[in-house]
Amino acid sequence: QKEVEQNSGPLSVPEGAIASLNCTYSDRGSQSFFWYRQYSGKSPELIMFIYSNGDKEDGRFTAQLNKASQYVSLLIRDSQPSDSATYLCAVKGGSYIPTFGRGTSLIVHP
Amino acid sequence: KAGVTQTPRYLIKTRGQQVTLSCSPISGHRSVSWYQQTPGQGLQFLFEYFSETQRNKGNFPGRFSGRQFSNSRSEMNVSTLELGDSALYLCASSLEWTGYEQYFGPGTRLTVT
Repeated sequence: QKEVEQNSGPLSVPEGAIASLNCTYSDRGSQSFFWYRQYSGKSPELIMFIYSNGDKEDGRFTAQLNKASQYVSLLIRDSQPSDSATYLCAVKGGSYIPTFGRGTSLIVHP
Repeated sequence: KAGVTQTPRYLIKTRGQQVTLSCSPISGHRSVSWYQQTPGQGLQFLFEYFSETQRNKGNFPGRFSGRQFSNSRSEMNVSTLELGDSALYLCASSLEWTGYEQYFGPGTRLTVT
């Protein structure tokens, strides 16, 4: 059973701070990793994906992948109240079937 | 460019009935995936279609089926509905079946009574 684990939170950070969201996965054959944001009552939207070890930056978002330790993280710099949402981590292996974590609830307070 | 559309948005069915949900992908996208999202199980992969062929299937019973048409539009069907099938059903499209970027539709909220 392939598992993707996320702390359910809520993770509460003040506006302007860095929010750090973490995800661990069990399948060493995992090849691609995704972060989605889901607002309450809405569908998930892709923030970014990463498939190589290291960091990948896109605006205020940075994804970090460490395959040896089997974790992927998402950093949100200069967090805004509009970033308050549930963040889903998803992992794909060679079969391209995605496994999603249960998500981490992020609250950014003014 | 229009996003992924799903119809209907809300549906109430009775246990034992069957239901068909529809998904129209983003123009040019040839891969359509279906997911079930519940508070208890989270987001779970149902199946993926590309070029009218099922490429992958998740761990769901045979009551869940789908198909894709030549214009890439897709339908999923659930037969003999159970109370536990109540969920948000999400469709997502991507350019290719191995595509990294996947875009979700607004979902169909199914309630089984």
